[in-house]
Amino acid sequence: ETGVTQTPRHLVMGMTNKKSLKCEQHLGHNAMYWYKQSAKKPLELMFVYNFKEQTENNSVPSRFSPECPNSSHLFLHLHTLQPEDSALYLCASSQVGAGAPSGDTQYFGPGTRLTVL
Amino acid sequence: DQQVKQNSPSLSVQEGRISILNCDYTNSMFDYFLWYKKYPAEGPTFLISISSIKDKNEDGRFTVFLNKSAKHLSLHIVPSQPGDSAVYFCAASANFGNEKLTFGTGTRLTIIP
Repeated sequence: ETGVTQTPRHLVMGMTNKKSLKCEQHLGHNAMYWYKQSAKKPLELMFVYNFKEQTENNSVPSRFSPECPNSSHLFLHLHTLQPEDSALYLCASSQVGAGAPSGDTQYFGPGTRLTVL
Repeated sequence: DQQVKQNSPSLSVQEGRISILNCDYTNSMFDYFLWYKKYPAEGPTFLISISSIKDKNEDGRFTVFLNKSAKHLSLHIVPSQPGDSAVYFCAASANFGNEKLTFGTGTRLTIIP
């Protein structure tokens, strides 16, 4: 596997279910991100992990719970979601800090299309 | 309040002609700008970037222009090819970094054969 992978690619869940989204990066990066993309809205940054430590939480409801066990893996645990949480959830990674190539960018996975019934 | 705006949700261009995608920003702290391209069922992929110390960056058929006084950037694709049909996102960050990117809503480009 190369790049950034996400599983599952599609997920349908009820409002009382608990599920998890998984992201894995094979690029040796030290930062990972969760984004939400809703229809006709910009990508919204949800969480940032830098060296496995959460450095950003953009006022995300507690029904979304991230976990970063190591610099290659990122999870998003979901529970008691609402229908308005239906969206494409994208994971990304990048190299940040001293030593990062200048002009570098974030690399995205293919996303998980989530539908909450 | 959207800090990065792409006011054209869609654009259609004849194959071989020039495609121009526009992006405006409001935050004067932004100093690094990126364009991403997204095909259906795939994540966004990086296309080209520019830092605020430049006003133009070129990579093959793709050129990005930055007008800092107008807080405006544009992506030129010439000549346009059918494979360029995709959604294009403009993104911006401060401190020349890639950690906190603010995205626009995207422009769907369709190249007509």
